[in-house]
Amino acid sequence: DQQVKQNSPSLSVQEGRISILNCDYTNSMFDYFLWYKKYPAEGPTFLISISSIKDKNEDGRFTVFLNKSAKHLSLHIVPSQPGDSAVYFCAASGSGTYKYIFGTGTRLKVLA
Amino acid sequence: EAQVTQNPRYLITVTGKKLTVTCSQNMNHEYMSWYRQDPGLGLRQIYYSMNVEVTDKGDVPEGYKVSRKEKRNFPLILESPSPNQTSLYFCASSPNVGTPYEQYFGPGTRLTVT
Repeated sequence: DQQVKQNSPSLSVQEGRISILNCDYTNSMFDYFLWYKKYPAEGPTFLISISSIKDKNEDGRFTVFLNKSAKHLSLHIVPSQPGDSAVYFCAASGSGTYKYIFGTGTRLKVLA
Repeated sequence: EAQVTQNPRYLITVTGKKLTVTCSQNMNHEYMSWYRQDPGLGLRQIYYSMNVEVTDKGDVPEGYKVSRKEKRNFPLILESPSPNQTSLYFCASSPNVGTPYEQYFGPGTRLTVT
């Protein structure tokens, strides 16, 4: 059973517009969420995270929103740039555990 | 340069021939972990280590072994590889054990088992 789901395998957005990547989870014990970006032939790199005590965290062009009641988080990229084209993974973990559960990824393509 | 290194980067082997993929980090991180990435399945955690001599299973540990004899190294051992272990493998490390924290990933090892 996939505890962390990214239901959109791919997304295309025009340069300058907003990209919204979504992630759903089923385990209510998760209380820390992270987003990673992955370019081809490279390892994932950390992008932004959010703790369950918050509902929003912002870092430059990247904002993560958390809706605990819906068990849903989203990553907003504004404005989108061609260099943002990559696969994005969301991940979840629970405090007191050392395990991380990743989603299946969403491939973002930003069109120039 | 702070980094996680993996060797080899590419490996083709045959069923049943024992192999080891090495992982090393130079950031003095306590936490290290192994993942495999497969199409449609994302990243799945194989094993993780909270510190030297302390390891535990992730979601997909079957067919793999690990050891953590030194803080900087966390090798992944496949005693008897099978074709279903053909995958892209990533090692990762993190400075913080007590709280979920961002991980730093290596460049990946692409393994093919025939």
